[in-house]
Amino acid sequence: QVQLVQSGAEVRKPGASVNISCKASGYNFINYYMHWVRQAPGQGLEWMGLIFPSGANTNYAQKFLGRLTMTRDTSTSTVYMQLSGLRSEDTALYFCVSSGIDYKLDLWGQGTPVTVSS
Amino acid sequence: EIMLTQAPGTLFLSPGERAILSCRASETVSSNYLAWYQQKPGQAPRLLIYAASSRARGVPDRFSGSGSGTDFTLTISRLEPEDSAVYHCQQRYTFGQGTNLEIK
Repeated sequence: QVQLVQSGAEVRKPGASVNISCKASGYNFINYYMHWVRQAPGQGLEWMGLIFPSGANTNYAQKFLGRLTMTRDTSTSTVYMQLSGLRSEDTALYFCVSSGIDYKLDLWGQGTPVTVSS
Repeated sequence: EIMLTQAPGTLFLSPGERAILSCRASETVSSNYLAWYQQKPGQAPRLLIYAASSRARGVPDRFSGSGSGTDFTLTISRLEPEDSAVYHCQQRYTFGQGTNLEIK
């Protein structure tokens, strides 16, 4: 079955880091981009960045530079997204999403809620 | 940085009517990268349209996309109650703010 399964909900204090995993199955994970997209409560979608699992190349949105790290483990078809220096505005639902070079986001994970609160 | 502006913010229509949703880019964008998504409450978005006018697998032909340059449109004909959702447009790294479509 072609799917992305993400790790569970996280609660963090301001200033902490969070690490979310996304495991791919049912397709050739190596050859597709993996994006991270987040959605704050009641808000729209926000693209955070992507990783190309084959070469571990990354491309991060400007606003997350210095705080965002994406890695992958090809042996388990898993990508990881770490966001550091958390603030209350980072409270959101985080999705991993797969695409080809056309940036067509056609396979979504179920989402991981992250709450940042003191 | 390209910005996408969607209009209207909210749309109230009845079953059987036609919905026309707009997505306007701040500068000319490639149609190859323009996509539309449907998102229902508590769910991940679902790809509807890619490359501005191509329907994704399993999407009913009531959904159609058009446009080029800076102006793109998602048209939903013969609305059904289950079409109630938020619709997002996307161009590579950028999303619009979404249009909330309510069918009553």
